[in-house]
Amino acid sequence: DTAVSQTPKYLVTQMGNDKSIKCEQNLGHDTMYWYKQDSKKFLKIMFSYNNKELIINETVPNRFSPKSPDKAHLNLHINSLELGDSAVYFCASSQWTPFREVRDTQYFGPGTRLTVL
Amino acid sequence: QQPVQSPQAVILREGEDAVINCSSSKALYSVHWYRQKHGEAPVFLMILLKGGEQKGHEKISASFNEKKQQSSLYLTASQLSYSGTYFCGTEEGAGGTSYGKLTFGQGTILTVHP
Repeated sequence: DTAVSQTPKYLVTQMGNDKSIKCEQNLGHDTMYWYKQDSKKFLKIMFSYNNKELIINETVPNRFSPKSPDKAHLNLHINSLELGDSAVYFCASSQWTPFREVRDTQYFGPGTRLTVL
Repeated sequence: QQPVQSPQAVILREGEDAVINCSSSKALYSVHWYRQKHGEAPVFLMILLKGGEQKGHEKISASFNEKKQQSSLYLTASQLSYSGTYFCGTEEGAGGTSYGKLTFGQGTILTVHP
């Protein structure tokens, strides 16, 4: 059974277009994350949601808008795509919760390779 | 601030050992180690918590020096399957909540040859 899944796996699009990436986890976790991994493999957090509430919002262009319809899903919408947005985007989830000290790791989805032409 | 990993790359023959280090300038609550193979997602290896608790795979060991904000990952009797890029992710613990945020190092590329 897939724990964290993402669609699509590959996304090739033109500059200026708008695209979305979807993520779903079946681990029962309360917290989900979006990461961007660039061509140098630098893995950087973008956003995090806990139970549908935004809790981490790093310095990311406002063309990127995350949405969490429920705690098992976290989507990423990107407007007006630019060449520099080309990267692999990973979704992850963890048991982190503000109500108790849970120290567990994050589980990553397979990634979405976005190529902007 | 991003933790610093060393070395940047390691080349081994099967059966040899390796140590990968991760150093942060911030007080840490936990250190997480991942391995990523080409074209795949990072896979969890080990988590080390402030206070000494560890969770992870049996064949991989690691240490966490809380005072120095440093962690080391020990790979012994390496196998071909150990090849990949190793990342440490640090969770800062200077007070307040981290929201589970991990800041990743730049990665260490490990290559194991037959």
